[in-house]
Amino acid sequence: DTGVSQNPRHKITKRGQNVTFRCDPISEHNRLYWYRQTLGQGPEFLTYFQNEAQLEKSRLLSDRFSAERPKGSFSTLEIQRTEQGDSAMYLCASSSGGAGPYLYGYTFGSGTRLTVV
Amino acid sequence: SQQGEEDPQALSIQEGENATMNCSYKTSINNLQWYRQNSGRGLVHLILIRSNEREKHSGRLRVTLDTSKKSSSLLITASRAADTASYFCATSGDYTGANSKLTFGKGITLSVRP
Repeated sequence: DTGVSQNPRHKITKRGQNVTFRCDPISEHNRLYWYRQTLGQGPEFLTYFQNEAQLEKSRLLSDRFSAERPKGSFSTLEIQRTEQGDSAMYLCASSSGGAGPYLYGYTFGSGTRLTVV
Repeated sequence: SQQGEEDPQALSIQEGENATMNCSYKTSINNLQWYRQNSGRGLVHLILIRSNEREKHSGRLRVTLDTSKKSSSLLITASRAADTASYFCATSGDYTGANSKLTFGKGITLSVRP
């Protein structure tokens, strides 16, 4: 297992198009998080899954955003009708269950950089 | 919204010197973590300190936590050029479910000159 994998690494899209990102967490991790990071800022929480259940969504996640984790393994984040303000790095992180995050922290992927032109 | 503020926003030091970075946060926490991010990359977990701990060491890293002042500091000793990166502090509530999500500060840019 080589860690958390995110694809694609970079995505350039025209305003109004839909985009989908994929995250493959560490296989034994049942918790998965999506964050968004804009230039010069820290990551901001978007949403959280425990297994296949989406347990929390940030107010940052507008109706144009949807995330899934259908089988409790990989996750996808889709943005519909992209806007220039969606340009950011989208980061995925995973952790083990129970006290895992408390003991070991989180493992982040390298992120998907989205540019909306 | 950001939980805390790191200080300074940018730090430039000579290789071999120590780097001290500070973080303040606003709400009660269960633990505080420090992460490193190289340019354009993901975050790497460095060290975690629990709310009932005051100091922790890991290799060249030393982190302190003062819950009465809602502040933490990260010390990197004998810095190397490879330590050049952005450093973020992040806090979380307990580890049950969604409370385990992290809230990050804006980060500190550390430059270590060879």
